[in-house]
Amino acid sequence: DQQVKQNSPSLSVQEGRISILNCDYTNSMFDYFLWYKKYPAEGPTFLISISSIKDKNEDGRFTVFLNKSAKHLSLHIVPSQPGDSAVYFCAANPQGAQKLVFGQGTRLTINP
Amino acid sequence: GAGVSQTPSNKVTEKGKYVELRCDPISGHTALYWYRQSLGQGPEFLIYFQGTGAADDSGLPNDRFFAVRPEGSVSTLKIQRTERGDSAVYLCASGGTSSSEQFFGPGTRLTVL
Repeated sequence: DQQVKQNSPSLSVQEGRISILNCDYTNSMFDYFLWYKKYPAEGPTFLISISSIKDKNEDGRFTVFLNKSAKHLSLHIVPSQPGDSAVYFCAANPQGAQKLVFGQGTRLTINP
Repeated sequence: GAGVSQTPSNKVTEKGKYVELRCDPISGHTALYWYRQSLGQGPEFLIYFQGTGAADDSGLPNDRFFAVRPEGSVSTLKIQRTERGDSAVYLCASGGTSSSEQFFGPGTRLTVL
């Protein structure tokens, strides 16, 4: 069973506009949620995280929102830049475990 | 400083053969993780080491998979009697005390013919 789901395999956004990447989860027993960014032939790179007790975390152009009642989180990138083109993975850390459960990824393309 | 390195970057083998994949973590990191990423999927947890011991191996799919970290630094993932379904990118990550601090290597792409 897929505990963390990214239902959009791809997203295309114009440069300068806002990119919104979505993620849903089915397990309430997650401590942290994280977003990773991956370029081809490289490993995933940590982008931003949010604790399950928060509903928003912001870091520069990146903001993550957590809606616990809907079991939904989203990553907002504004303004989007060409270098943001990559695959984005949502991940969650189960309580009491030192591992991450990943979604399937969303390929973001920023068009000039 | 140097990041996580993995060797080889690519490995092609025949069904039934034995393979070893190596991970060199970031110096000083006590936690080490192995994940497997199949085409079109996100990374899937395999095993977690804290120091030399495997603290959580619940993600290993079967007893053909085994991993070691004898001196608490370099780790080797070993796959016996490889099957075509083992073809994937095997990712290693190292980190500190928080699961948010997982730094990934570039991965080893394993192809089983």
